[in-house]
Amino acid sequence: GEDVEQSLFLSVREGDSSVINCTYTDSSSTYLYWYKQEPGAGLQLLTYIFSNMDMKQDQRLTVLLNKKDKHLSLRIADTQTGDSAIYFCAARGGSQGNLIFGKGTKLSVKP
Amino acid sequence: DTEVTQTPKHLVMGMTNKKSLKCEQHMGHRAMYWYKQKAKKPPELMFVYSYEKLSINESVPSRFSPECPNSSLLNLHLHALQPEDSALYLCASSQERAQSSYNSPLHFGNGTRLTVT
Repeated sequence: GEDVEQSLFLSVREGDSSVINCTYTDSSSTYLYWYKQEPGAGLQLLTYIFSNMDMKQDQRLTVLLNKKDKHLSLRIADTQTGDSAIYFCAARGGSQGNLIFGKGTKLSVKP
Repeated sequence: DTEVTQTPKHLVMGMTNKKSLKCEQHMGHRAMYWYKQKAKKPPELMFVYSYEKLSINESVPSRFSPECPNSSLLNLHLHALQPEDSALYLCASSQERAQSSYNSPLHFGNGTRLTVT
């Protein structure tokens, strides 16, 4: 089955760019997602990318997909203190109902 | 603001109680999900309803009983829970164009924080 891995912690200074990396194992995963979870809240869908795309940009967010290496990254430009949260990478495809999550990367933004 | 609404936000119940968690969405989504999330862990899938039919049960104990009265509502009935069932319970929905097709992004509610005493 699918396995999704991501680093557990990332610390950046306000105004810098943040890059959160993720790897997955199932090449049949057709959609890859990034969710943000703030303390005590549910999961907010940030962005997603279809497996036939290499890149997707949405305002401060850029998603890069290397399908050959099964590597996904989320870049947050001009990181703000409000971006501090846990970021989950998730993969899903076709007939599989389950959305497989990574363990989450805790992003800390220092002023 | 999330378009998936969960009630209550917090629930404390004893091991002999019966309670229900409720979830509602008005986005016309035809798939709805229950997830359980323990502290500092990713969400774990419990149940999936597709077109109001239970399509996935991830070997969840029978003390959790899901119900989908219509395409907008999803309930989770709780009975004889254990303290280790304390967690954040998340509901989600997605717009699937066909039954047993799972390609659309999931939209999550803010969850119910459940404490079993």
